[in-house]
Amino acid sequence: NAGVTQTPKFRVLKTGQSMTLLCAQDMNHEYMYWYRQDPGMGLRLIHYSVGEGTTAKGEVPDGYNVSRLKKQNFLLGLESAAPSQTSVYFCASSYPGQLSYNQPQHFGDGTRLSIL
Amino acid sequence: KQEVTQIPAALSVPEGENLVLNCSFTDSAIYNLQWFRQDPGKGLTSLLLIQSSQREQTSGRLNASLDKSSGRSTLYIAASQPGDSATYLCAVSDYGGATNKLIFGTGTLLAVQP
Repeated sequence: NAGVTQTPKFRVLKTGQSMTLLCAQDMNHEYMYWYRQDPGMGLRLIHYSVGEGTTAKGEVPDGYNVSRLKKQNFLLGLESAAPSQTSVYFCASSYPGQLSYNQPQHFGDGTRLSIL
Repeated sequence: KQEVTQIPAALSVPEGENLVLNCSFTDSAIYNLQWFRQDPGKGLTSLLLIQSSQREQTSGRLNASLDKSSGRSTLYIAASQPGDSATYLCAVSDYGGATNKLIFGTGTLLAVQP
């Protein structure tokens, strides 16, 4: 049972380059999330999706775009990478609404991204 | 705006000690509260989830309590072991669970010395 899989695990980019981070889950979860983790700041929500074809902004959405074309996949894009986007990115998934009351979010192992 | 604070930021204890990690939040209107463990270079592993209507949850040597009125939760670890060394994160879910968004604290880095 793979759970939540993130690719790639590591990446180094130059300022201005673009890239897409892929998240895939095999638990048939409706909800999916992208967080970033920076030293001393905890995890912060970038974007999230409550179902296939839907996306919404989180706390720190600027500089990122997302797409949820298939229920099992959630893509995070950086159109023009900046050094401030150097971070560890985590994808998570969960059941929807009332089903999430006693069910935790499931996290991937993260993507470590460095922007030079 | 919901804010989550964890104290202490770091903790070092000898093996075998019982310990308490603290989490506080500013808005008591939460759906649930979750405790996660994060090992270096790894993702988050869910340890315990406390529904807003519950007071505590237990799993093995771990016990988490929730006091919504005071905006506090504690994670109690009994008979600590070196394998418990990790960062422990507390997170609250938005009220009503409509989106199940989590707001995280900055974590407590725990080191258990053999």
